[in-house]
Amino acid sequence: NAGVTQTPKFQVLKTGQSMTLQCAQDMNHNSMYWYRQDPGMGLRLIYYSASEGTTDKGEVPNGYNVSRLNKREFSLRLESAAPSQTSVYFCASSGGLHAIAMGNGLSSYNEQFFGPGTRLTVL
Amino acid sequence: GDSVTQMEGPVTLSEEAFLTINCTYTATGYPSLFWYVQYPGEGLQLLLKATKADDKGSNKGFEATYRKETTSFHLEKGSVQVSDSAVYFCALSDPPLYGGATNKLIFGTGTLLAVQP
Repeated sequence: NAGVTQTPKFQVLKTGQSMTLQCAQDMNHNSMYWYRQDPGMGLRLIYYSASEGTTDKGEVPNGYNVSRLNKREFSLRLESAAPSQTSVYFCASSGGLHAIAMGNGLSSYNEQFFGPGTRLTVL
Repeated sequence: GDSVTQMEGPVTLSEEAFLTINCTYTATGYPSLFWYVQYPGEGLQLLLKATKADDKGSNKGFEATYRKETTSFHLEKGSVQVSDSAVYFCALSDPPLYGGATNKLIFGTGTLLAVQP
């Protein structure tokens, strides 16, 4: 199993150019995610897809679009790149909701598996 | 909303020193808590997790205990090695109710650990 793969690994764009970041997973996971990582800000969720055919906005969706092409693939598109989108982009996937009923409530976990990242520079 | 606060780095230690990286959280429900590690040039890997209060997660000599009373999940290791040099992220999972959609992770800002021989 390759896990989560991302292409390309590196990309340099000029302001206004467009591009699509590709992500694929071979773990038969239901859910997929796109994050961006910036110094001092940790990872911030851009978009996610709870299951094939659905997508939802995360914390920082402006300037991005996504497509859940099938269960394996989840792409991120920058229609008109801006210098503020210079970042490292990570794709992740997870099996979905795992819930364990507890006596006083619900307990759940969501182990996400990450790809190696795409380092994007917008000039 | 839910949030995670972790100590700022970098943390610089000598080999075999004791490590503590503090993490506190704010959440309204019953979150699960995680530590992820990112080695240079790589993506994040799950290091350990805890799904309910008083649970202790452990892996590769690292430990963290889910303390609901102090809303904390501090990462500890008794004797660090140069190979532990990485960025460590504390995160929480906001659990939906049954039948809800996927969980989303909320990350802290990360703490860079540098271990010197």
